[in-house]
Amino acid sequence: DAKTTQPNSMESNEEEPVHLPCNHSTISGTDYIHWYRQLPSQGPEYVIHGLTSNVNNRMASLAIAEDRKSSTLILHRATLRDAAVYYCILTFYNQGGKLIFGQGTELSVKP
Amino acid sequence: EPEVTQTPSHQVTQMGQEVILRCVPISNHLYFYWYRQILGQKVEFLVSFYNNEISEKSEIFDDQFSVERPDGSNFTLKIRSTKLEDSAMYFCASSIGTASNQPQHFGDGTRLSIL
Repeated sequence: DAKTTQPNSMESNEEEPVHLPCNHSTISGTDYIHWYRQLPSQGPEYVIHGLTSNVNNRMASLAIAEDRKSSTLILHRATLRDAAVYYCILTFYNQGGKLIFGQGTELSVKP
Repeated sequence: EPEVTQTPSHQVTQMGQEVILRCVPISNHLYFYWYRQILGQKVEFLVSFYNNEISEKSEIFDDQFSVERPDGSNFTLKIRSTKLEDSAMYFCASSIGTASNQPQHFGDGTRLSIL
């Protein structure tokens, strides 16, 4: 299984952009890059996913490197409610849908 | 926005007792999952379920565990004879498909405490 590597923790100031990195150097051509987050005392929440091109939605943007060996989740203006653990997860076309969670990046947001 | 709901939010059970955790997935979703998270540890996949059958299960999902979709709306996880190490948060999730580009939607979990 292709693995992802994320920093254990990051800090941000409120209302500033946050760039959360993820390395996935063994990604294969059909693997999607998903981001989920888990707020305190809640279940994981889908954030965004992509394959090759950069993606935007109402929550965040996903920037994917040209060689696909890394990606960055971008929160354009961090709020206190964005404090969570962010997981970068690869999904494989034949894996049957299961998500394999790592330790993720714990993001803290300072007012 | 439709959401996955789980009941109860907290379940306390004596070791050796049976417990059933309940989930109502999003109504047009066809694929259902259970995950667990032991306090301070990673979220772990337990089982996936489609068309009234288990699609895949992890090593954790042994003979003590079973899943069922009894009535077309609920999705349940049963632990037959609970052990202390079953204490964890249990999350249910659902998705429209299992294609690798389909997001999963999670409930807020049931905290299971085994005494």
